[in-house]
Amino acid sequence: DIVLTQSPGTLSLSPGDRATLSCRASQTVSSSFLAWYQQKPGQAPRLLIYDDSTRATDVPDRFSGSGSGTDFTLTISRLEPEDFAVYYCQQIATSPGAFGQGTKLEIK
Amino acid sequence: EVQLVESGGGLVQPGGSLRLSCTTSGFTFSNYWMTWVRQAPGKGLEWVANIKQDGREEYYLDSVRGRFSISRDNRKKSLFLQMNRLTDDDTAVYYCARGISTSRITPLLHWGQGALVAVSS
Repeated sequence: DIVLTQSPGTLSLSPGDRATLSCRASQTVSSSFLAWYQQKPGQAPRLLIYDDSTRATDVPDRFSGSGSGTDFTLTISRLEPEDFAVYYCQQIATSPGAFGQGTKLEIK
Repeated sequence: EVQLVESGGGLVQPGGSLRLSCTTSGFTFSNYWMTWVRQAPGKGLEWVANIKQDGREEYYLDSVRGRFSISRDNRKKSLFLQMNRLTDDDTAVYYCARGISTSRITPLLHWGQGALVAVSS
């Protein structure tokens, strides 16, 4: 099974900063089969990015995805207060569709 | 509007059983693979199982295979998760989810609000 490892575990930044979140796969994954989600406390996850760098409906363009092979990155260009949350990557190429363990983005 | 509503969660003793349901509306249920994802308290997301449109293909997380069974009723637009021989490690919020596309290989766009399953004596 493919294992995804996210880093850092926690990222402390300020509004207006640029955030770079990493997701590393245990084996090659097509960027078309790597997705990113955002989750806020008490809420279900929200799909942000899929199919390489496609943003889901209503996702602001400050969110972008990149990467290939085993290394993928979610970038938030300028943090807004509502962006502080937990972020997960997921590979959807195979079942089980494993998630990474998450990166918590907190206000510094 | 796509809606997914889980039900059937609750407190169960170790070794017990529980059946979760996910009632859907706002889309043609029979056209989509459906997925269960869980989240233990304070932990990350864990993919549990998924099922093909016609119910003839299923996939499971290793740790639940043989104990959990995913099924669906396309006439009732409902998804189910039968959970047997439950352990403390199965304590989690269980989410029902649907993908963006009708393919098996699809990110999960629509999620329910979750059903809490607590396994404790």
